[in-house]
Amino acid sequence: EPEVTQTPSHQVTQMGQEVILRCVPISNHLYFYWYRQILGQKVEFLVSFYNNEISEKSEIFDDQFSVERPDGSNFTLKIRSTKLEDSAMYFCASRARGQAQPQHFGDGTRLSIL
Amino acid sequence: GNSVTQMEGPVTLSEEAFLTINCTYTATGYPSLFWYVQYPGEGLQLLLKATKADDKGSNKGFEATYRKETTSFHLEKGSVQVSDSAVYFCALRAGYSTLTFGKGTMLLVSP
Repeated sequence: EPEVTQTPSHQVTQMGQEVILRCVPISNHLYFYWYRQILGQKVEFLVSFYNNEISEKSEIFDDQFSVERPDGSNFTLKIRSTKLEDSAMYFCASRARGQAQPQHFGDGTRLSIL
Repeated sequence: GNSVTQMEGPVTLSEEAFLTINCTYTATGYPSLFWYVQYPGEGLQLLLKATKADDKGSNKGFEATYRKETTSFHLEKGSVQVSDSAVYFCALRAGYSTLTFGKGTMLLVSP
């Protein structure tokens, strides 16, 4: 069964550095998402992406964050000037066309900011 | 706005016990409802879904019925196994918007 893949599985970075989290969505999916889960807390929506542009974003997704689909397969989340509180599990998800279609999630990237 | 409320965990059960994890929601319109499961060290996996009132989603022995009158989508399983130990998330999606998750409920099943 096709799946969403995320790399790396664990990223350790010094505070203030930039990180890029990578995702390969399911190949025929058109809608792409990033979520994060701070340890012990709920899964929070960051951003959704469709037709090469952001379709929705939360208040968490400020100027520090950006997303890109640089080619036909990858979907990346860039976090500039990382802060300690950016430490979390980041999940990518994708969805096929159709309102009832569910989002399929990757296994996540654990980001640790030191 | 949209919100999902789940019962606090952890829920601790013995193998073969009956499971209920309560979930209620607040949403505009008629949302689709989902249960996701997160096994230790893994990502979120879709467990089941229901897209309209009175629909019953089911998978791997788990069931949940979309109850519009009580705005609920409680997860049930008749006989849990140790391998069901995980965190379970209730979620909704209203229209074409993104998913709104509950806080998650940890289930611990002992032999």
